[in-house]
Amino acid sequence: AQSVTQPDIHITVSEGASLELRCNYSYGATPYLFWYVQSPGQGLQLLLKYFSGDTLVQGIKGFEAEFKRSQSSFNLRKPSVHWSDAAEYFCAVGPSGGYQKVTFGTGTKLQVIP
Amino acid sequence: DAGVIQSPRHEVTEMGQEVTLRCKPISGHDYLFWYRQTMMRGLELLIYFNNNVPIDDSGMPEDRFSAKMPNASFSTLKIQPSEPRDSAVYFCASSPDRGSQPQHFGDGTRLSIL
Repeated sequence: AQSVTQPDIHITVSEGASLELRCNYSYGATPYLFWYVQSPGQGLQLLLKYFSGDTLVQGIKGFEAEFKRSQSSFNLRKPSVHWSDAAEYFCAVGPSGGYQKVTFGTGTKLQVIP
Repeated sequence: DAGVIQSPRHEVTEMGQEVTLRCKPISGHDYLFWYRQTMMRGLELLIYFNNNVPIDDSGMPEDRFSAKMPNASFSTLKIQPSEPRDSAVYFCASSPDRGSQPQHFGDGTRLSIL
């Protein structure tokens, strides 16, 4: 069965600092990978997705993520965090075939301090 | 473009009452998902539909929960009778695919059962 682990429940960074949110997945084949962001009171919004090809994926709002097959990871990065990035971030893995559906991680809550 | 539309945005009701949550998916999306989000359990998939047919309802917590999709543009999630432990944010999401395409989320219904 596929699974997603986000080991950091809560992260605090200073505005302007770099950010990396960790995501590890378990899946038998090459998965589809997603990062979503949830602002308070809103639904999840897609930041970026990886299906195949270039392992460095660019998303919206200046985010990027790198797929590393050898480490089963899909970490999200941003070089300089803005206060408006404070939100909860979810990693998700989807199947490239078969019955299984998208599985979401438990989320990482990002706090940005001045 | 209209996104996924959920109603109501907030619902407060007393224990034992029937609650109906509504969702209009994005036109052309064949998959519709209902999720529940709580602090304790995170984001849980309750049920999903493909072409208006329920495919997997294994996440529905109890018989008190039921979901229908009478046509491609409308779905309901009903709780009868409601209990305080049902208090959560309920999200509807739609997608053109089960796993390879990202899901588009509504803004959720915040449900409080007193």
